[in-house]
Amino acid sequence: QSVLTQPPSVSAAPGQKVTISCSGSSSNIGNDYVSWFQQFPGTAPKLLIYENNKRPSGIPDRFSGSKSDTSATLGITGLQTGDEADYYCGTWDNSLNAGVFGGGTKLTVL
Amino acid sequence: EVQLVETGGGLIQPGGSLRLSCAASGFTVSSNYMSWVRQAPGKGLEWVALVSSGGNTKYADSVKGRFTISRDNSKSTLYLQMNSLTPEDTALYYCARGAGGRHPLDYWGQGTLVTVSS
Repeated sequence: QSVLTQPPSVSAAPGQKVTISCSGSSSNIGNDYVSWFQQFPGTAPKLLIYENNKRPSGIPDRFSGSKSDTSATLGITGLQTGDEADYYCGTWDNSLNAGVFGGGTKLTVL
Repeated sequence: EVQLVETGGGLIQPGGSLRLSCAASGFTVSSNYMSWVRQAPGKGLEWVALVSSGGNTKYADSVKGRFTISRDNSKSTLYLQMNSLTPEDTALYYCARGAGGRHPLDYWGQGTLVTVSS
């Protein structure tokens, strides 16, 4: 059971937009920045979004992040088949005094 | 260029010990938060431990008292000493720069596989 809650899967057609939610509490999302990670099968996670809505160099602006109270959202526009991957949210929990992740969301581009 | 390369994984019997290493390059380990994150086969990410730039350490409850994170600044290497291993510790172990929150996990190694089985 993950501390942060994500939908197990989402799907959308190429070219469309999809959002992935991440729900937490006042001790984690409500208290610190949220990051989002993209992971393809057999590879390491890659930072996609940090500090709720910032993109590292090289990440296209099709990817966006937002946060409100104890929830965060990853948005992907102009979906491509190459976006099919697992997506994880993560942050720090100051009650657990530990890093926490969501359970991951598998994105399928139909 | 930032690089993280993990080594030390393998097959170990329950109750055994293993030490993982993470060789870092392209940045100064001692100036950064560094973490270990693991992923059991077919499962999600689980944060394991961190060492802060100041040398403070924190652990997930699941490994507290069994795992020890440390670093050798002269070798730019991060370590994870794992004792009293159980099958539930079987996972791909990633080394990452950062910790989460205001210290994002911005660079990850390729991981090293630890299998605990008799």
